[in-house]
Amino acid sequence: GAGVSQSPSNKVTEKGKDVELRCDPISGHTALYWYRQSLGQGLEFLIYFQGNSAPDKSGLPSDRFSAERTGGSVSTLTIQRTQQEDSAVYLCASSLDSGNTYNEQFFGPGTRLTVL
Amino acid sequence: DQQVKQNSPSLSVQEGRISILNCDYTNSMFDYFLWYKKYPAEGPTFLISISSIKDKNEDGRFTVFLNKSAKHLSLHIVPSQPGDSAVYFCAATRMEYGNKLVFGAGTILRVKS
Repeated sequence: GAGVSQSPSNKVTEKGKDVELRCDPISGHTALYWYRQSLGQGLEFLIYFQGNSAPDKSGLPSDRFSAERTGGSVSTLTIQRTQQEDSAVYLCASSLDSGNTYNEQFFGPGTRLTVL
Repeated sequence: DQQVKQNSPSLSVQEGRISILNCDYTNSMFDYFLWYKKYPAEGPTFLISISSIKDKNEDGRFTVFLNKSAKHLSLHIVPSQPGDSAVYFCAATRMEYGNKLVFGAGTILRVKS
């Protein structure tokens, strides 16, 4: 079956513009995560969706960042008024219901965002 | 405040020898630890994991060791193969908090043939 897909694979934008990044999780996965990897850094948690519960937004770095998950499937991460420090690879992952046990997170290939 | 640290940015090993990648953590509440492998232009893929109630988990050529008192874990690859050349990320989580992973910065492993 298909894995996690993300689009676009690369995005170059000018400072101050808004961008939308899309994630299609594995079918049937109820948990969806967004991470980002800045140059030379590890992956940094941004936001987490689990079923119909309110998302855990504790990792979002500023109010310019927001994310939605429509119909429990596709998710969109939106960055408003982009800044150069937003340049990073944005990775999406999905898993079965997280619950109180660990379920493997499957990662997409990422979207490389460059803010000029 | 880096809760998960991989202090070696890179490691070079001869094919057939053992590769040892190290990871330290500071948060004693973590109860599950993982290693992910990443090739260029691809997302990370899960490699091996260990629960905090264990001190060793083995899967083929890969073994993860956990030393809770030292807050240290390591990944051993024996024997190392050229196809193992990749970036290896250590990650930790507390399962009851939704499995949000906290990652280290990664170690680039190069296996020379």
